[in-house]
Amino acid sequence: DAKTTQPPSMDCAEGRAANLPCNHSTISGNEYVYWYRQIHSQGPQYIIHGLKNNETNEMASLIITEDRKSSTLILPHATLRDTAVYYCIVRRIVWPGTASKLTFGTGTRLQVTL
Amino acid sequence: NAGVTQTPKFQVLKTGQSMTLQCAQDMNHEYMSWYRQDPGMGLRLIHYSVGAGITDQGEVPNGYNVSRSTTEDFPLRLLSAAPSQTSVYFCASSYSVSGGSDTQYFGPGTRLTVL
Repeated sequence: DAKTTQPPSMDCAEGRAANLPCNHSTISGNEYVYWYRQIHSQGPQYIIHGLKNNETNEMASLIITEDRKSSTLILPHATLRDTAVYYCIVRRIVWPGTASKLTFGTGTRLQVTL
Repeated sequence: NAGVTQTPKFQVLKTGQSMTLQCAQDMNHEYMSWYRQDPGMGLRLIHYSVGAGITDQGEVPNGYNVSRSTTEDFPLRLLSAAPSQTSVYFCASSYSVSGGSDTQYFGPGTRLTVL
């Protein structure tokens, strides 16, 4: 699976959009971009994933560049409860009978402040 | 649905003791896995299973055993605990989706200290 590079930490004011970047320049065509977050030593929580197109769900938006070498996770209106470590993970497409593995880096620690 | 449950939440062991960390899921997921997380680091995969009766090693399998006799349960056994195994352990599960992607659901973790 391709490696990812994320800034170690970011700050965001409450109510503002949080934009978390991720570089995955060695990504291949059969690899997804996943985002998880971990709030204060709890189990990681799935946020969103995408292959080529931009994606949006109730939690966040994922913007993937046209060459797929980088992406940005957007939390449109950050709250204090969004303070967490955010992990960007690149993973191959899962096929039946294959392993569903995730490779975590050290992520970005997002601090949302008043 | 209870999701992914783990017991115990906390455990203290002495060096050389053995124990089993329990993990169960009620979502009929095929895939289950165990990760450990050391302070300030990301999660590392210990063992995983793609279905009942099938297990394989992850990135850091030494000192741990697993088995998968049912779809629901995936226990992790520490054979002879060492201080280097002090960590937080997370269990995760996910569906098998043909030709597509899946998401993993994580349990709340077991915090293990080996003295």
